[in-house]
Amino acid sequence: AQSVTQLGSHVSVSEGALVLLRCNYSSSVPPYLFWYVQYPNQGLQLLLKYTTGATLVKGINGFEAEFKKSETSFHLTKPSAHMSDAAEYFCAVRSTNFGNEKLTFGTGTRLTIIP
Amino acid sequence: EAGVVQSPRYKIIEKKQPVAFWCNPISGHNTLYWYRQNLGQGPELLIRYENEEAVDDSQLPKDRFSAERLKGVDSTLKIQPAELGDSAVYLCASSLFSSSYNTEAFFGQGTRLTVV
Repeated sequence: AQSVTQLGSHVSVSEGALVLLRCNYSSSVPPYLFWYVQYPNQGLQLLLKYTTGATLVKGINGFEAEFKKSETSFHLTKPSAHMSDAAEYFCAVRSTNFGNEKLTFGTGTRLTIIP
Repeated sequence: EAGVVQSPRYKIIEKKQPVAFWCNPISGHNTLYWYRQNLGQGPELLIRYENEEAVDDSQLPKDRFSAERLKGVDSTLKIQPAELGDSAVYLCASSLFSSSYNTEAFFGQGTRLTVV
């Protein structure tokens, strides 16, 4: 079984400040990890993903995340927040086991940017 | 290239009525997913298809929900009869073979269902 916990359903940061969205996962096998962003009345768009290799992954719009196996974490960061970053962010985990490839999502974090 | 297309975008129905959602995945994508997203929650998988075969429907409430993917391309999700608790956004996604480690799921804009 796999699961995702996103700490903080709402996060507010000032424009230009550091963005940190937390994600912890549970998986019985090494996972694939994803961050998706959802703008109002839109579908989900992939920000970045970790599958294999380098544990620090860079995504679109200046976001990055680091896979830390010892902490079972995959926190999302951006050095300087922009107004356009206001959205809902979802962390997701996918098993690497063949036949169990479904994405399991966290409950999401709504990011608000303060001008 | 067109992304995942869903219709309708919005649907309001009375409880006990039937409703259907349609999804056209990205051309060439073998895997198709239907997710349900309740207000303030993350998406939850309802069913996953590999081509025309439903390979994971363990979370699909089969007493009232049904899905099909004829010819392994378009898919339809149906609810009959709808209940108040079915109000949610229904998301369709597609990807290349899901067993590939480098695959990515692309999502449609969703259908927002309101049952009154």
